[in-house]
Amino acid sequence: SQELEQSPQSLIVQEGKNLTINCTSSKTLYGLYWYKQKYGEGLIFLMMLQKGGEEKSHEKITAKLDEKKQQSSLHITASQPSHAGIYLCGADPDNYGQNFVFGPGTRLSVLP
Amino acid sequence: SQTIHQWPATLVQPVGSPLSLECTVEGTSNPNLYWYRQAAGRGLQLLFYSVGIGQISSEVPQNLSASRPQDRQFILSSKKLLLSDSGFYLCAWIRDRAGEQYFGPGTRLTVT
Repeated sequence: SQELEQSPQSLIVQEGKNLTINCTSSKTLYGLYWYKQKYGEGLIFLMMLQKGGEEKSHEKITAKLDEKKQQSSLHITASQPSHAGIYLCGADPDNYGQNFVFGPGTRLSVLP
Repeated sequence: SQTIHQWPATLVQPVGSPLSLECTVEGTSNPNLYWYRQAAGRGLQLLFYSVGIGQISSEVPQNLSASRPQDRQFILSSKKLLLSDSGFYLCAWIRDRAGEQYFGPGTRLTVT
């Protein structure tokens, strides 16, 4: 079965700093999803990547899927306190939308 | 636009009591629906998914069951709650096989 790992597990940055969160899959990714969860709340869909080398941006958040489609990175530029939360990557192992798997999450804190 | 509702938002139940969590979707028809659980310190775990009325697939053997009595209604139930059932329960739907997955606001369940 497909497994996702995320690094780092937690991250504390000063406001205005850039940061990167990585998601690594044990198998080829057919669809890689990034979500943000504010503590104790539901998930917010950020973006989905499907093609190797694909890069998408949402406000100050950029995500990229590497050419081999087994790793994705999420980059936040000039972080703000509103970026704080848990970032989860998710994958659709067989591209049928029925067996989603998620990474363990990265907890981001942004200090003002 | 599509909207997904969950209730209740929070619930405190004693061990051995029954459970019923409801999820409804607006603005779409015949969605694939999902129940996830996030236990403290763990990633999201897929519990059930449904591709249509009366069709339920279980991913993990457990003390819970799911039903889909109507096209846009998905219910998570238990006859007797266990302490280990505590967690944050999320309902989600997917527009199509390769589309984004959208999550409801979640229900925080505490079993005492």
